Amino acid sequence: GAVVSQHPSRVICKSGTSVKIECRSLDFQATTMFWYRQFPKQSLMLMATSNEGSKATYEQGVEKDKFLINHASLTLSTLTVTSAHPEDSSFYICSATKLGTAKETLHFGNGTRLTVT
Amino acid sequence: DAKTTQPPSMDCAEGRAANLPCNHSTISGNEYVYWYRQIHSQGPQYIIHGLKNNETNEMASLIITEDRKSSTLILPHATLRDTAVYYCIVSGGYTGNQFYFGTGTSLTVIP
Repeated sequence: GAVVSQHPSRVICKSGTSVKIECRSLDFQATTMFWYRQFPKQSLMLMATSNEGSKATYEQGVEKDKFLINHASLTLSTLTVTSAHPEDSSFYICSATKLGTAKETLHFGNGTRLTVT
Repeated sequence: DAKTTQPPSMDCAEGRAANLPCNHSTISGNEYVYWYRQIHSQGPQYIIHGLKNNETNEMASLIITEDRKSSTLILPHATLRDTAVYYCIVSGGYTGNQFYFGTGTSLTVIP
């Protein structure tokens, strides 16, 4: 149980366009989802915390107008990279915690490799 | 920000136990220690977590010192498939508590 699915797994887009990444919890309900970014040979960097039905909370230095997060249901959160530039090329990973549990672990998706040309 | 310190890399012979240390000297009383690993180009995989008692599951054992300022993840019989980056994370663990990743330990299991 506790499967998190991300789509797409890979995407290539042109500079200036927008890209949407979906994160779904397949077999549980998630009130909170987290979005991370990972550059080559580096650790995961938390970008934002996404709560169902409310605005996302962004980490310091992350542009909320560039990285739009929508958590419209208990099983789906989306990250839209707007006006993408080559420096936005990265590995984006989402994770989720189960509804109604304390001391819970995070369950991660398998990531989305974004390449901006 | 990450509250943990780990050695950047370690090697382990196949079949031997891999002992991965983690320092978390500023851990607070309600925070858990979590271990995840990441194999190249995949999402992190949960391994184990604990509060103050030692824990064991089918993947690994977690030894937490009595003062909770450090812990050790033990893979009892390392295989080549255990080659990965291992992350130690401290978090309150409640839904909505953030998980901040440190730099992790790159474990290489050698045949």
